[in-house]
Formats: sequence, structure tokens, C-alpha cells
Amino acid sequence: EVQVVESGGGLVQPGGSLRLSCAASGFAFGDYAMSWVRQAPGKGLEWVSGVSTSGNTYYTDSVKGRFTISRDNSKNTLYLQMNSLRDEDTAVYHCGKGDSGTPRAIVYWGQGTLVTVSS
Amino acid sequence: EIVMTQSPATLSVSPGEGATLSCRASQSVSTYLVWYQQKSGQAPRLLISGASTRATGIPARFSGSGSGTEFTLAISSLQSEDFAVYYCQQYSNWPYTFGQGTKLEIK
Repeated sequence: EVQVVESGGGLVQPGGSLRLSCAASGFAFGDYAMSWVRQAPGKGLEWVSGVSTSGNTYYTDSVKGRFTISRDNSKNTLYLQMNSLRDEDTAVYHCGKGDSGTPRAIVYWGQGTLVTVSS
Repeated sequence: EIVMTQSPATLSVSPGEGATLSCRASQSVSTYLVWYQQKSGQAPRLLISGASTRATGIPARFSGSGSGTEFTLAISSLQSEDFAVYYCQQYSNWPYTFGQGTKLEIK
């Protein structure tokens, strides 16, 4: 059974940092693109970042220079390092498994981890 | 950035009836379009990719169509479990973008 489980969320002050993790199981992790998508409370979905199987990374403009996506295929784990956090980064962050080596559609979604940026 | 616009924002339909949801892109995305379903408190679920290909395990009452800038998700004979929020998403150009969602509610 495919599973992706996020962790690392929490309350952080503006300007602070957090590192999210996503533990994957049930599939050949290294063969698929992985992504992070966020959902602010009561709002829609926003694609934050993706990483291909070859290591190419993609970021939405609002997080460029602040967030870094990475993957450790030996640990079947995806990461999102988030620095210089802002109030508007408050959201549930979902990890997702792609349908190919390049980020496209998200076939399996995790339940998400809540990040709250507030003083 | 490609803007995805969904309509209507809310659709009220009786169980057993059909529903048609629309998604428009601000520029052509070819058929690089997916649909997701999200129930309250749950993660989204992939329904359709490539504008018209049902994902594994998705019932045949869900069908997607369209190309370029105009897309449709049709749901025939609505079941109670189909009432949810539906999002379209383009993967033609980065940053990938979602529509704002259509809430399908019971009439």
C-alpha cells in the first residue's frame, strides 16, 4: 500500500525556520517525482515545490530563495526546509507522489502537517 | 503564471442527478489538466489526469473532457460520497496552478 506521511509542522514565529519531512512507503521512491502542496485554512490548493527523479527542483515564486526541497532516496524521504517564514505561509502542507519522474499530477497525497506562522 | 478559473463556485444538485463542472485556463494547457476531489478534513484524491483519463479505482460515472483552455468534469448519477470540493490543476507550465475549486453540495 502506498503511503506518504508528513511530519515536522508546528508553531513558529515570523522569520523562523522549520523542516518538514515526508516518509514514503509502498512504492519505488526513487522512480517518482515528489512535491509539496499547501492549503491555507479554509482556502484552496497551492503547489509549493516539486523535485524530479533526476534532482531538478521547482518552486512557486512566493517561496523561491526561502524554501528548499530535497529528497533522500536511501531513506525514502522527502524534505522541505522552510526559512524566513511569513504569516502567509501558514497552511497545511501536503506531500505528494507524482505519476512519473517529473512533477505533474499528484497520485497519492499525505494527510498533511500544519504549519502556523504567528507571533 | 497560468490562471485557472472554475465555475460555478458552488453547485447544488440532488442525489441521482448529473453535474457538470467547468475549468478554464488563461492560456492553452493542451491536455495537461487534472481533476481532484477533496472531502472535508481529507487530503485531495486524484480523479482524472491528461484531461480525460480516469485514475485507478475511479468510477466510470466520472468523466473529463476538453483541451486547450476549456475543460469539463462530468459526474453522472451523483452518489452521496460525491459531494465534495473539486479542483482542476494544470501541469503545462511551472508554476503549476489550481483552480479555486467548485463545491458540489446536496440540493
